[in-house]
Amino acid sequence: DIVVTQSPDSLAVSLGERATINCKSSQSILYSSDNKNYLGWYQQKPGQPPKLLIYWASTRASGVPDRFSGSGSGTDFTLTISSLQAEDVAVYYCQQYYNTPRAFGQGTKVEIK
Amino acid sequence: QVQLVESGGGVVQPGRSLRLSCAASGFPFSTYGMHWVRQAPGKGLDWVAVISHDGTSKNYADSVKGRFTISRDNSKNTLYLQMNSLRPDDTAVYYCATDIYFYYWGQGTLVTVSS
Repeated sequence: DIVVTQSPDSLAVSLGERATINCKSSQSILYSSDNKNYLGWYQQKPGQPPKLLIYWASTRASGVPDRFSGSGSGTDFTLTISSLQAEDVAVYYCQQYYNTPRAFGQGTKVEIK
Repeated sequence: QVQLVESGGGVVQPGRSLRLSCAASGFPFSTYGMHWVRQAPGKGLDWVAVISHDGTSKNYADSVKGRFTISRDNSKNTLYLQMNSLRPDDTAVYYCATDIYFYYWGQGTLVTVSS
């Protein structure tokens, strides 16, 4: 089974500053036949279901602000919030959808410093 | 617009059964694989099961294999999760979500397993 590990578990960032979350999979999730990384990023606010932010590791979902960006390939990925806003306080998860079980990372809690 | 509405949650004693439903609308349900994902109180996301668009292929997390069954009725645009032999560690909010990356999610239904 693929294991997905995020770092850090939490971070506090000043408003307007950059937040960076890392995600590492235990094996490559780059599918050679289509050259796509099977990784998504989700945002979850208290009392709400998760919301898809990024898919194929770097494609923003519809309506997601462009301050959110995803990068990486193979086994190492990053979610960057370029200028943290108050409404970005949430827990962020990465997930591989290369195969089953569809493992999620443990989550990263983002707060305002 | 796309809607996924889970129902069927509640309080149940250990060892008993419960069936969850997820009613879908606003998209071609019969062309989408579907997932169940759960989240224990204060914990992270835990993938439970997936079913193919036509119901012929199913996969489960090891933690629920042999106890839970995922199914669907495309004529009713509804996804199901039959949960048997429930344990206290099955206590969670259960979400349904669309394949392959989880673009759409329901609001979830809470299952509490307690005596």
